[in-house]
Amino acid sequence: GAVVSQHPSRVICKSGTSVKIECRSLDFQATTMFWYRQFPKQSLMLMATSNEGSKATYEQGVEKDKFLINHASLTLSTLTVTSAHPEDSSFYICSAVTGSSYNSPLHFGNGTRLTVT
Amino acid sequence: AQSVTQLDSQVPVFEEAPVELRCNYSSSVSVYLFWYVQYPNQGLQLLLKYLSGSTLVKGINGFEAEFNKSQTSFHLRKPSVHISDTAEYFCAVSEGYGNKLVFGAGTILRVKS
Repeated sequence: GAVVSQHPSRVICKSGTSVKIECRSLDFQATTMFWYRQFPKQSLMLMATSNEGSKATYEQGVEKDKFLINHASLTLSTLTVTSAHPEDSSFYICSAVTGSSYNSPLHFGNGTRLTVT
Repeated sequence: AQSVTQLDSQVPVFEEAPVELRCNYSSSVSVYLFWYVQYPNQGLQLLLKYLSGSTLVKGINGFEAEFNKSQTSFHLRKPSVHISDTAEYFCAVSEGYGNKLVFGAGTILRVKS
């Protein structure tokens, strides 16, 4: 089956630094990737939708200058948390879709746990 | 706008007992419905989905769900649970399969021996 790989699985960084999270579709071309954020004991909240070769669409309340998303190829999207602060500590999950029709399946990565100290 | 309500935040159940995890949704248009399972520190795995056709949907690991349009519900059921079913379960809705999903708050299923 289709596999989405997220890297790193865990990262600890100091406040003020930037962290890059990669989301790769290993055996299919992902025309669209979604980035979610999950706070402890809460549901997943969609942060942004990225389409290959175009700017990401951010959900209301998500700072696009803080959460930089790049979808440069059909197999790779990156989320960069800039000038991270402790409140950015969370579980970030990406998902990828292979097409735009209703038959297009959605595949999730295993997530990245970010801890900002 | 779509929304998903999972009425139970936690459901404790003994092994081999049946379980039902409740999910209600609201939407002004036709929707597609999903159940996902999340094990600790992992991503989401699709259990089952309803796109159209039969309202009773069977998924992996012995789970099934029934779409009830009049009650706007999509409850998840399993006739006999195992310890390994302990996880968090998320109900989700989409107005287009492959489009962005709106998730419920999740239900933690705790299976006890």
